[in-house]
Amino acid sequence: DGGITQSPKYLFRKEGQNVTLSCEQNLNHDAMYWYRQDPGQGLRLIYYSQIVNDFQKGDIAEGYSVSREKKESFPLTVTSAQKNPTAFYLCASTRTGGYSPLHFGNGTRLTVT
Amino acid sequence: SQELEQSPQSLIVQEGKNLTINCTSSKTLYGLYWYKQKYGEGLIFLMMLQKGGEEKSHEKITAKLDEKKQQSSLHITASQPSHAGIYLCGADRNTGNQFYFGTGTSLTVIP
Repeated sequence: DGGITQSPKYLFRKEGQNVTLSCEQNLNHDAMYWYRQDPGQGLRLIYYSQIVNDFQKGDIAEGYSVSREKKESFPLTVTSAQKNPTAFYLCASTRTGGYSPLHFGNGTRLTVT
Repeated sequence: SQELEQSPQSLIVQEGKNLTINCTSSKTLYGLYWYKQKYGEGLIFLMMLQKGGEEKSHEKITAKLDEKKQQSSLHITASQPSHAGIYLCGADRNTGNQFYFGTGTSLTVIP
């Protein structure tokens, strides 16, 4: 079955460490997205990519980095510069050209202490 | 400020009751999406609306987009405990696949 896989489901890190969240899709979608979800704030866009080797900042890109070397993969690195990294992170993908809904992974809950 | 305002923020209903969730934008909506989320999980796509006045239904859930394409509603008929979760509306900024979301409505259905 096609879908989006995020791993791991739970991640714990010490403050000051960089951490990379994995996102893989086998839907053959061109566009991929990273969102952060905090209680009471809905989803906020971190980065998105519409094609391999290209990506754009979203609304809250500071303290995060991404890469898009393969169509299937869009890893997100939470750097030590991110002031409040503890959150639920969601990866999504969709087709480009026309209106098409986002398909989401099951999320990674990151806790930094 | 939020580009998409959802109301109410939370809702507690008795099983069997009907309910409505609203999603309002100050800008024209070119693609409006409704999602459901169980706590700690990803979002499940429910329905997409594009045309003014459009209405779609799936099982006991009906979504509508107003004629001006600035407001959408999600109506659940005869609610069940399985309907519980967070409902989010989302839209496309129409500037190249940039999706944004409302803050969500938390629904609790009491058996």
